Amino acid sequence: DGGITQSPKYLFRKEGQNVTLSCEQNLNHDAMYWYRQDPGQGLRLIYYSQIVNDFQKGDIAEGYSVSREKKESFPLTVTSAQKNPTAFYLCASSIEGTSGTRQFFGPGTRLTVL
Amino acid sequence: SQQGEEDPQALSIQEGENATMNCSYKTSINNLQWYRQNSGRGLVHLILIRSNEREKHSGRLRVTLDTSKKSSSLLITASRAADTASYFCATDRGDYKLSFGAGTTVTVRA
Repeated sequence: DGGITQSPKYLFRKEGQNVTLSCEQNLNHDAMYWYRQDPGQGLRLIYYSQIVNDFQKGDIAEGYSVSREKKESFPLTVTSAQKNPTAFYLCASSIEGTSGTRQFFGPGTRLTVL
Repeated sequence: SQQGEEDPQALSIQEGENATMNCSYKTSINNLQWYRQNSGRGLVHLILIRSNEREKHSGRLRVTLDTSKKSSSLLITASRAADTASYFCATDRGDYKLSFGAGTTVTVRA
């Protein structure tokens, strides 16, 4: 089956700890994205990567870091510098087709800071 | 930054009725997309309409785009309980990124 997987589904973190969220895709897509979603709100872009070993900051990158060492993987680290990290995190991927950038989403990780 | 804004924020309809939601945006776009999100899940792509298209259909979905007014609408006909979800518009400015609105929550009552 082709798709995007995120793990874990639920994650609990103590204040002051860094935590890494996993995102893997086997769709052979070049581009990958991380979004944050807060209750009742839309998605805000954290980081995105168009190609291996390259990534750019999105609208709310402060307190987050990423790496893109492999095409299939785009892990997100939520650092202790992120002041309000409790949220639902969504990973997505896309391939630039003739009709534009259509994105495929993983099931999400819900992070709670205790 | 979020470019799209959906209206209404929430919508409750009876099964079998039609549901219409609107999206407004601020800058010129390459295309506009609609996504559905079931509670606590990832988003699923529904339909994409290019900036040179005015209307598009997919099953029970009908999307319109008015670039002069910078607005789009999504119509779901003959709604079913399974259509209960949040619906998001997303604008593509051709720069590998999408800007999402805050969404419309649709509840279909049996």
